Order: sequence, then structure tokens, then C-alpha cells
Amino acid sequence: EAQVTQNPRYLITVTGKKLTVTCSQNMNHEYMSWYRQDPGLGLRQIYYSMNVEVTDKGDVPEGYKVSRKEKRNFPLILESPSPNQTSLYFCASSLSQGGPQHFGDGTRLSIL
Amino acid sequence: DAKTTQPTSMDCAEGRAANLPCNHSTISGNEYVYWYRQIHSQGPQYIIHGLKNNETNEMASLIITEDRKSSTLILPHATLRDTAVYYCIVMGGSQGNLIFGKGTKLSVKP
Repeated sequence: EAQVTQNPRYLITVTGKKLTVTCSQNMNHEYMSWYRQDPGLGLRQIYYSMNVEVTDKGDVPEGYKVSRKEKRNFPLILESPSPNQTSLYFCASSLSQGGPQHFGDGTRLSIL
Repeated sequence: DAKTTQPTSMDCAEGRAANLPCNHSTISGNEYVYWYRQIHSQGPQYIIHGLKNNETNEMASLIITEDRKSSTLILPHATLRDTAVYYCIVMGGSQGNLIFGKGTKLSVKP
């Protein structure tokens, strides 16, 4: 089954403790991206990747890092999480930039 | 900022067609109209997209006006499971950043 898989689905952690949210897709998609969703602000793009080793900032990249060492994986790294990064995060992928995007089920992060 | 305008909410009776309008008067010639929906806090789900011509797939139909300044998403036989927030998004073919506005909250009622 074609899918985008995120882990963990839920995480409660503390300020400053590094964490990684993994994202994997099995559709051989070139384009992958991360969004965060906050009440009243909608979904906003954090980072995106057009292919292996090619990443770029989205609209709200501060406090986040990403890497794309393999085509299928696009982890989101919070080196020193802060409470303002408490949010619902979605990973998405598409065959190419501009194509229909498939979203994961989301990761709900709470930073205390 | 979102380039589209949608009604905040709509109701539809189960089994009837749901027609969701969207205005995108500033759309450029190379920009597509995309529709996604989000059920509660699940990941957004792609529905359909189009450039100029009307499009239909197994989920819905997309009607785009000739001047491309507005469009309508049609769910032909709405079910309770179609209750969701529906987002109309305008995006260029070489872009990837989906700008989600507030969308239309569709409530399908028995």
C-alpha cells in the first residue's frame, strides 16, 4: 500500500532534549516536505526536499533541521526543542515538485 | 497568504451532491487549482486538481470557470464520511509549498 509513515505519532518531551521525527515513503517520490499545523494558522511548510541531498527552507524553518540521505526518508530534527514548537506535524511526498502530495497521519509533539 | 476565498462552512444532506465553491480571481496562467480535505486532525488528503478543463475522478468532479477565476468541487453523493474541512489551493506547476487557507468546513448530515 502506498503510504507516508511518520514516527512517533505522539511525543511529550522537555525543552532542550533533542528529538527526531522520522518520515518514510514507499512510492519512490522525489519531493518531500514537512508542515506544521497550529490553530488559527493553518498548515505551514517548514522544509522541503526536491531529491536526495537537496533540501531547502520553507516558510517557518527556524529551530528545525532536515536531511535527505536516501530517497525514501526525510527526518525532521529538533536540536533544542522549545515550547513554541508544540504542534501537529505532517510529512508529505509527491512524485515531483508541484504534483499532488500524499500526507502522513501526523505527529503530535508537546514540548514542556 | 492564501490566494483563494472559500465559505467558512456548509451543510449537505447525506446522499445529495455537495458543491463547494472557491474564488481565485488572481490566479496566473500556469497555476493549477488543487483540492484537499482534512478529516478532523488526520493528514490532508488530495482530492483532485485541474488547470483549465473540468476534471473528474473516483472521488469528485472539479468545474473551473472559463475565466479561471473560480471553481467548484462537486462530491456527487455525499456521505457522513465526507464531513471534513475542504481546502482549495492555487499552486504553480513548479512549486511545492501548499498554502492552506481556512478552508470550508463541510458537515454532511443524515
